[in-house]
This record gives sequence, C-alpha cells and structure tokens, in this order.
Amino acid sequence: GAGVSQSPSNKVTEKGKDVELRCDPISGHTALYWYRQSLGQGLEFLIYFQGNSAPDKSGLPSDRFSAERTGGSVSTLTIQRTQQEDSAVYLCASSSREKLFFGSGTQLSVL
Amino acid sequence: GQQLNQSPQSMFIQEGEDVSMNCTSSSIFNTWLWYKQDPGEGPVLLIALYKAGELTSNGRLTAQFGITRKDSFLNISASIPSDVGIYFCAGQIYSGGGADGLTFGKGTHLIIQP
Repeated sequence: GAGVSQSPSNKVTEKGKDVELRCDPISGHTALYWYRQSLGQGLEFLIYFQGNSAPDKSGLPSDRFSAERTGGSVSTLTIQRTQQEDSAVYLCASSSREKLFFGSGTQLSVL
Repeated sequence: GQQLNQSPQSMFIQEGEDVSMNCTSSSIFNTWLWYKQDPGEGPVLLIALYKAGELTSNGRLTAQFGITRKDSFLNISASIPSDVGIYFCAGQIYSGGGADGLTFGKGTHLIIQP
C-alpha cells in the first residue's frame, strides 16, 4: 500500500483481556518498529524487526508483550492480560534505510 | 543507551512568530531527523540531515546538523495555525543495516495562538 496501515484505529478492552494490534508496513520495507506513546509523551521503543534477523525485543516492558512478523511483512503486537497502564497509542513504523514512516497508530484504552 | 534532550518541552506563540527548538546529546550521531506529529496521527518526517554542519530547508522549515554531531536545531519561520503539533528530533547511528540505533527526543509541543 501507499503507507503504513494499522488496525484497529481504536481498541477499548477490559482489564485482564488479551489484545492484538496489527501493522501492514510499506511494501518492500525490510525494517519494522513498534513504539508506544502515552498521552502527550514521547515515543517509547518496544521492538524492532529487520529482515530475517532475530528481533530486537529490548524495549518490551514486560513478558505480557510480544510481537511477531510473518513472512517479513505484516506484524502483530500482542498484549496479554492487559492492565490500565497499557493504555496508550501504539505506533508502527517501517523503513527501507534510515527514514521511518509511521502509521496512524492504535489508540488502546484499558478499562 | 543514547539519550536526546529536546527543548523546549512546549511553546506558546503568536501566529506569525518564528519558532526555534533543538536537541542535544552526549553521543555522536550519523543522522538527525525531525518529525512532526499532528493530533491523532503518526509522526511524519520533515527533514533529514546526514552531514555535520549541514543546513537544510523545507519551505518555512530550516534544520541544521551541529558541527559536533551532538546537536541539531529546527526553525520554523512565520508560523501558521497548521504548524501546531508535536515536533520530535531523532538521532541515528546508521550502521548500514537499516534504521537501527534510532533515538527519539521527548518532543516539543507547539501551540499557536491566533
């Protein structure tokens, strides 16, 4: 597609439920990133996929967070047993070299 | 890891004024990037800088890559209402394998009063 696509755009869930957030990167981009942005805050790095290499998971805040990237394209970020502090905008970005292109994000609200 | 200090954290200005914001780091970067985020959207790349001392313009925006490679500034001239948003700097140590090592500043919130 023309840009990075994320779905859903908004997700409201109850505390303790699992959620899956999806990212479709720009076709041909080898690198894919997930960031978290709390209200009015900066970008918190979560995880980075580059080609077929093992992902850099150093930013994942707990073992409730995981992500996978199938076929080097679509990625899914999964949050298990959601907590209220998980409420944030989750942004996905893809790149072919140094320039990151971001999706519009998924606004996650945990009640 | 690397950290970027971005300032100011927020700016309240009048329409038509010039704006200046900057980022500094204790680490050397190979690339500096400036992004803008509109409400409800993801950040969009404004300017990319690749060389120490480089000065690049994009319309009313001008950014410079500091000569020490540890800082960068972004200026916006004659601000207009659509300039409102959050501006992020990002520094990158580009190793040839992709955008690894990208570090973001915490953002500058720009608010324009008509």
